[in-house]
Amino acid sequence: EDQVTQSPEALRLQEGESSSLNCSYTVSGLRGLFWYRQDPGKGPEFLFTLYSAGEEKEKERLKATLTKKESFLHITAPKPEDSATYLCAVQAWDGGYNKLIFGAGTRLAVHP
Amino acid sequence: GAVVSQHPSRVICKSGTSVKIECRSLDFQATTMFWYRQFPKQSLMLMATSNEGSKATYEQGVEKDKFLINHASLTLSTLTVTSAHPEDSSFYICSARDDQRNEQFFGPGTRLTVL
Repeated sequence: EDQVTQSPEALRLQEGESSSLNCSYTVSGLRGLFWYRQDPGKGPEFLFTLYSAGEEKEKERLKATLTKKESFLHITAPKPEDSATYLCAVQAWDGGYNKLIFGAGTRLAVHP
Repeated sequence: GAVVSQHPSRVICKSGTSVKIECRSLDFQATTMFWYRQFPKQSLMLMATSNEGSKATYEQGVEKDKFLINHASLTLSTLTVTSAHPEDSSFYICSARDDQRNEQFFGPGTRLTVL
């Protein structure tokens, strides 16, 4: 069964304290791994797509990496405005179409 | 960047009424759109996948007659919650896949409250 597990469930950081969020997955036929940011009461905002092990992508203070079993979202010197829920999703082929399978998310709080 | 809009952003209705939610891809074509439901502090649960010009594919446990989906054009999909009840109260989010690139963009969500 296709599954996505994110850890930790919640993370509290001080401003400037770098850390990493984990997304481990089991899927038959990975077609892509996606990271999104979601603020309360809003829809997810697209961050990155990764397709193959060893791939890395960066955007401002965020860097996403991918292995065959997991992905990491590294946050360097975070600021309070980085506080949000970060969602990881894998794209799987389901009998005729692609669909995203989401993890439960990591709620990140960055304090000044 | 790719933009997906949803309307309305918030709706309050009486039990037994039907509510229609629109989802539009504003600057790209989307053959495939998705409808999700999200409960507080939980992740997104896929309800159905809609393909332009064909019937939607519903996930297990989602009632087709309860949640009517129409995808009449490459930029518009609608979700109608029929005979809504309080247990249907939730945050509904649509998503559209850009046909040109393998990226999926989400709308801002619709907060439905059924009294």
